[in-house]
Amino acid sequence: AQSVTQPDIHITVSEGASLELRCNYSYGATPYLFWYVQSPGQGLQLLLKYFSGDTLVQGIKGFEAEFKRSQSSFNLRKPSVHWSDAAEYFCAVGAPGSQGNLIFGKGTKLSVKP
Amino acid sequence: ETGVTQSPTHLIKTRGQQVTLRCSSQSGHNTVSWYQQALGQGPQFIFQYYREEENGRGNFPPRFSGLQFPNYSSELNVNALELDDSALYLCASSQSDRARFFGPGTRLTVL
Repeated sequence: AQSVTQPDIHITVSEGASLELRCNYSYGATPYLFWYVQSPGQGLQLLLKYFSGDTLVQGIKGFEAEFKRSQSSFNLRKPSVHWSDAAEYFCAVGAPGSQGNLIFGKGTKLSVKP
Repeated sequence: ETGVTQSPTHLIKTRGQQVTLRCSSQSGHNTVSWYQQALGQGPQFIFQYYREEENGRGNFPPRFSGLQFPNYSSELNVNALELDDSALYLCASSQSDRARFFGPGTRLTVL
């Protein structure tokens, strides 16, 4: 079955520290891969996406993610976290021509300590 | 460029009632999809519309239905509301199967 796993429900990091949020997926072929961020009570903002090509993807707000086919992973990273990065982060997968069906993980809540 | 907008922001209904949620696509996008996000969960795919036709559906009962209009805006209708329908409903627009851009959502509470 197709699925997305975000193993960390809640992560706390200090401001200025580096961040890595994990995402593993189970899918029949190489999917499209996405990371979204959601602030409390808000919709989802697209941070970055991977369709094909270079496996290291740069996104907005200084985030990047690396697609590792052998590990079925698409981990999100940021070298230095800002207090404004506190939010919930969702990894999602979809297939080309998937007719809209993005499959989301359950999310990782990020807290930032001053 | 206008982003995805949704209305209303919040809505309170009682069990058995019907509700209509609205979504305006981002300019230039021809595809709209709807997601339900229960509290503490990731969004779940309801269905997608492409050029006014439903072309994909998730595991939701027929009382969840929708429309897409010639200007690519969309409606989500839910009949016979149940308590478990309480959730944040998110609309996303895209150009075909590319990146989906989400609206701010409609928070539905069913009492």
